[in-house]
Amino acid sequence: AQKITQTQPGMFVQEKEAVTLDCTYDTSDQSYGLFWYKQPSSGEMIFLIYQGSYDEQNATEGRYSLNFQKARKSANLVISASQLGDSAMYFCAMRRPMGGYNKLIFGAGTRLAVHP
Amino acid sequence: DADVTQTPRNRITKTGKRIMLECSQTKGHDRMYWYRQDPGLGLRLIYYSFDVKDINKGEISDGYSVSRQAQAKFSLSLESAIPNQTALYFCATSDSTGGANRGNTIYFGEGSWLTVV
Repeated sequence: AQKITQTQPGMFVQEKEAVTLDCTYDTSDQSYGLFWYKQPSSGEMIFLIYQGSYDEQNATEGRYSLNFQKARKSANLVISASQLGDSAMYFCAMRRPMGGYNKLIFGAGTRLAVHP
Repeated sequence: DADVTQTPRNRITKTGKRIMLECSQTKGHDRMYWYRQDPGLGLRLIYYSFDVKDINKGEISDGYSVSRQAQAKFSLSLESAIPNQTALYFCATSDSTGGANRGNTIYFGEGSWLTVV
């Protein structure tokens, strides 16, 4: 079954330190995409970073990087130099093709708290 | 200004009432979606549309209808709202043509909080 697992319901980190949020996935597809989204308490869902299954290099977007280990089926998000504004819920998601539509499967999320 | 705009952002309505959530986008994307988010259940797809003439049911379409008025506009209607439709609703868009380097990323609006009492 296609599934995303985020094993950390909550994490906390000291401001300016790095933090890793875990994500493992289960799929039999050869072509898929992995995404991370941030959801602050205000509710909006903000796209952070994307990794394609055929990408050989780990994706980076500013302070965000994705540690992609295909053999282990993991796609962990690394946030460097944490800021107070990083406190939010973080969702890992996987895209898999279904006919002409790309279905997004979300994990349960990890709540990150950044402490001053 | 947000690229994907939802109105209203917050609404409280009574059981049995009809309510419409509207979405407009300035991203120029061809595909649009409606999701709902419930605590513990994550995001679930209600409807999706590949273009103005192509509308498809998602995982949980019962009790909902949609209209794609233009490429940039996609509205969701609850014909007769019930309390278990209380949720956070998201409109989203993606680009089937130029988004390959982003994995056809789905971009979400700011969400609409709907409470049915």
